[in-house]
Amino acid sequence: QVQLVQSGAEVKKPGASVKVSCKASGYIFTTYGISWLRQAPGQGLEWMGWINANKGNTHYSEKFQGRVTMTTDTSTSTAYMDLRSLRSDDTAVYYCARNPWGGVDYWGQGTLVTVSS
Amino acid sequence: DIVMTQTPLSSPVTLGQPASISCRSSQSLVHSDGNTYLNWLQQRPGQPPRLLIYKISKRFSGVPDRFNGSGAGTDFTLKISRVEADDVGVYYCMQATQFPYRFGQGTKLEI
Repeated sequence: QVQLVQSGAEVKKPGASVKVSCKASGYIFTTYGISWLRQAPGQGLEWMGWINANKGNTHYSEKFQGRVTMTTDTSTSTAYMDLRSLRSDDTAVYYCARNPWGGVDYWGQGTLVTVSS
Repeated sequence: DIVMTQTPLSSPVTLGQPASISCRSSQSLVHSDGNTYLNWLQQRPGQPPRLLIYKISKRFSGVPDRFNGSGAGTDFTLKISRVEADDVGVYYCMQATQFPYRFGQGTKLEI
């Protein structure tokens, strides 16, 4: 069965960086993209960007351009999302999701990132 | 960017009765390949979102046939034929026709 397992919760200070991992199993990793999304406390869903798991090309939301880097390691079927210059309003649950053409289907369990001084 | 607008934002429902959620996009979601990438997701309390419907009306694996999607162009609807207690949560429409993907504000279904 398809599974996406994310790394554990993080607490960061403003200005720091965080790197969240997402290990995929149950399918051929390089045949699907991965999207990263987030959800601030009590808020809706926000799409951050997408990466082609095979070729590594990316498309980032303009909101995060310059602050986010998405990568994959095909040898371990793992995707990574690196967010820099963290602010308090980056406090959110971050999700990875498998991205076939036309949307997202399977989701990771989420990683809570708390930004606090 | 495409803006997605859902109504209502909150929907009190009765068990066994139908429920309906509307979603409107600020521009047509028809892709150049002829498909319309409008999806519906359910988020139960404390859980990650779950895909219910993709390409307007196709039920994802394991989704009960009580859930039905319809619509075209810019106007879409999710209908639950008979609400069950397990259906409590927030429902989102999502457009995946073009980047950036965008979600509606969410509709909270409450029993």
